[in-house]
Amino acid sequence: DTAVSQTPKYLVTQMGNDKSIKCEQNLGHDTMYWYKQDSKKFLKIMFSYNNKELIINETVPNRFSPKSPDKAHLNLHINSLELGDSAVYFCASRLAGTDSAFGSGTRLTVV
Amino acid sequence: SQQGEEDPQALSIQEGENATMNCSYKTSINNLQWYRQNSGRGLVHLILIRSNEREKHSGRLRVTLDTSKKSSSLLITASRAADTASYFCATDALSSYKLIFGSGTRLLVRP
Repeated sequence: DTAVSQTPKYLVTQMGNDKSIKCEQNLGHDTMYWYKQDSKKFLKIMFSYNNKELIINETVPNRFSPKSPDKAHLNLHINSLELGDSAVYFCASRLAGTDSAFGSGTRLTVV
Repeated sequence: SQQGEEDPQALSIQEGENATMNCSYKTSINNLQWYRQNSGRGLVHLILIRSNEREKHSGRLRVTLDTSKKSSSLLITASRAADTASYFCATDALSSYKLIFGSGTRLLVRP
């Protein structure tokens, strides 16, 4: 059983399209995250949800909208995709003060 | 930027040698964590050290933490080719749900 699973693994799409990435965790964690890893491998936090409530929203364009239907799911919807959105997006979850479990990533390529 | 710094950025060693990676951070922390990322894969948690701990061991891994200098080091002893990966430190800041990642060290262990 994969602890944090995200789909799809790969996503190739054209500029201007809208796409979604889904994430689910079966660990019973109360906090979930989206991270973006750029081509230089820097990992930057984008959003964090705690028990379905948005608690962290870093400086991310409005085109990115997270949604947490329940505490086991955190999806990321991206509108009007741009070339600069190409990156690997990681979902993660954890209990406060403990380590995080990461999904295997979604490699988004915008052409 | 809140991003932590790691050095070296890249490290190439012979199998059997020890590898040391350093991490510096900026804020007060609850704990500091080290993660490993194999090429094209997600992050795997290695070890967590709390702010009141100075040293921690796990198998061939040894982590130190100096909160007065806001720095940590990860030592991998008797390295193996399979240790080849990128290693990231991440800080769990006080009063925050954030996990802030360092810039990573790319380790190459030559057989």
